[in-house]
Amino acid sequence: GENVEQHPSTLSVQEGDSAVIKCTYSDSASNYFPWYKQELGKRPQLIIDIRSNVGEKKDQRIAVTLNKTAKHFSLHITETQPEDSAVYFCAASGSNYQLIWGAGTKLIIKP
Amino acid sequence: KAGVTQTPRYLIKTRGQQVTLSCSPISGHRSVSWYQQTPGQGLQFLFEYFSETQRNKGNFPGRFSGRQFSNSRSEMNVSTLELGDSALYLCASSASTGNYEQYFGPGTRLTVT
Repeated sequence: GENVEQHPSTLSVQEGDSAVIKCTYSDSASNYFPWYKQELGKRPQLIIDIRSNVGEKKDQRIAVTLNKTAKHFSLHITETQPEDSAVYFCAASGSNYQLIWGAGTKLIIKP
Repeated sequence: KAGVTQTPRYLIKTRGQQVTLSCSPISGHRSVSWYQQTPGQGLQFLFEYFSETQRNKGNFPGRFSGRQFSNSRSEMNVSTLELGDSALYLCASSASTGNYEQYFGPGTRLTVT
């Protein structure tokens, strides 16, 4: 079945360092890959997305890269700040207009 | 545009009771998905409605059901509540066929005692 694996489940980085979260998807037909950020007690919010005709997309300190051949995509956060602490979810488009979700990564920014 | 709204925001029920949660999508959005989120857990997909029809369904028991009205508002119902149903229930709306971007509501926190 359709599946998205997300690693690591928890990531702790020093403030100012970079963080990378990786996801692997199973459906070669997937063509849309969003990343959501969920701060404690709040709703998930879309922070960046990428479509299969693009290899990389950047928005200030965050970027997403996509390797269609290997079927994996990654979220990169540079110069991490305390407000980056949150749970991050990746997803991939599945059949019938569904999003298939990763299990989430808890990002901890150490001062 | 107003965002996705959910009512009620908090709910306390007793085991064995039933509950109905409501979700109003962004104006113009025709798809509503429902998720269950337990502490430290991810987004467990319940079901998705599009144009009043259930288009996708997750792996939850039949106690969990939903519906969508002609104005795209959606409700989900949980019958015979169990302690393990205590969770944050999130709904998300998206615009139309082929548009995968989902916008989440604030959620309903259900506590079953």
